[in-house]
Amino acid sequence: AQTVTQSQPEMSVQEAETVTLSCTYDTSESDYYLFWYKQPPSRQMILVIRQEAYKQQNATENRFSVNFQKAAKSFSLKISDSQLGDAAMYFCAYRSPRAGNNRKLIWGLGTSLAVNP
Amino acid sequence: GAVVSQHPSWVICKSGTSVKIECRSLDFQATTMFWYRQFPKQSLMLMATSNEGSKATYEQGVEKDKFLINHASLTLSTLTVTSAHPEDSSFYICSAPSTGREQYFGPGTRLTVT
Repeated sequence: AQTVTQSQPEMSVQEAETVTLSCTYDTSESDYYLFWYKQPPSRQMILVIRQEAYKQQNATENRFSVNFQKAAKSFSLKISDSQLGDAAMYFCAYRSPRAGNNRKLIWGLGTSLAVNP
Repeated sequence: GAVVSQHPSWVICKSGTSVKIECRSLDFQATTMFWYRQFPKQSLMLMATSNEGSKATYEQGVEKDKFLINHASLTLSTLTVTSAHPEDSSFYICSAPSTGREQYFGPGTRLTVT
């Protein structure tokens, strides 16, 4: 079974600085999807970035980028120029490419990010 | 992007009563929806997978008779917490995968059982 591990329960960063959140996963599948979700105090889950395992290029969305190391099964999230609005829980998630019920996400425990002004 | 709504956003009920939570995909059809439970500052715990036109698939340890799931149409799934007790108080979230890779999440329902 697949597992996702986030080893940093809490992180903090100064406004405008850069922070990296760690995520490792375990799977025997060769193709899969990886996601970072943000959950602000409103508790609405927001997709931050996604990565297809077959793509070697690291995904980037504005200030958010990932370092995807497939062999090491590592999927870290880098937030550049941190803003106060980035303060939230961040969850790493894995999804099999298969259809139906197997589209469920496997979640890490989350990292609580604080942004200090 | 696609929108998933949940209703109600917050509900308070008395112990022993039942409460129904609705999850709707507003602009796409969802043959599958997922129901999660989340405690404060914790991760999402998958409770069950709701399948349109068939029985839901429950995760191990989730009581099927307590958490009734009905996927009545391609845009609506409901979660009914039967005979609710204070320990059922939690934040419940639904999600629906699109035809692509993404899942879209509802805003969640806060259930308080007194």
